[in-house]
Amino acid sequence: QVQLQESGPGLVKPSETLSLTCTVSGGSITGHYWSWIRQPPGKGLEWIAYVYSSGSTNYNPSLKSRVTISVDTSKDQSSLKLSSVTTADTAVYYCARGDPARANTFDIWGQGTKVTVSS
Amino acid sequence: DIVMTQSPDSLAVSLGERATINCKSSQSVLYSSNNKNYLAWYQQRPGQPPKLLIYWASTRESGVPDRFSGSGSGTDFTLTISSLQAEDVAVYYCQQYYTTPYIFGQGTKLEIK
Repeated sequence: QVQLQESGPGLVKPSETLSLTCTVSGGSITGHYWSWIRQPPGKGLEWIAYVYSSGSTNYNPSLKSRVTISVDTSKDQSSLKLSSVTTADTAVYYCARGDPARANTFDIWGQGTKVTVSS
Repeated sequence: DIVMTQSPDSLAVSLGERATINCKSSQSVLYSSNNKNYLAWYQQRPGQPPKLLIYWASTRESGVPDRFSGSGSGTDFTLTISSLQAEDVAVYYCQQYYTTPYIFGQGTKLEIK
């Protein structure tokens, strides 16, 4: 059974770069899309970006200038970098698998990692 | 961007009764070449990540109880829970995957009356 685990620092200072990793276990990262989705406290869901296992990417235009997403198939990991963070980037960040047979529907989610931006 | 609007924002239903949540997209998410609606529904229980319930607007994900059903086409969609159970207390989100950026509705909070 495929499981996703997000990891990274829980606290980031304003203007710094947030770096998160999603590790896939119980299955391969190959042949799927890997998205990052965030949820500010008490609010809804915002899709950030996806990377396919081949390395191709797609970004939400609202964040594109600050986001880099990548995949490491040798480690079965996806990574997210968000630069120049502000308090508005405080959120739970989820990694989610997209099923290409269902047009990238998010069928498996990690538990999420809480990131607070504060000095 | 496609805007997804859910109604109502919150809903209280008695156990065993029907719950209905609506979702409207600002443009059609029906792809004419395959006649599929690129619309999904997710359930988020308190403190948990979202869980996929329905995709292609009306196809239940494996393992999802059959009291959950999705309907609609084009721009108007509905999630129905036929007989509310206590474990269905959650926030429900619709999401379009017709085009990027993928957009979620604002969520509907479902509670027990």
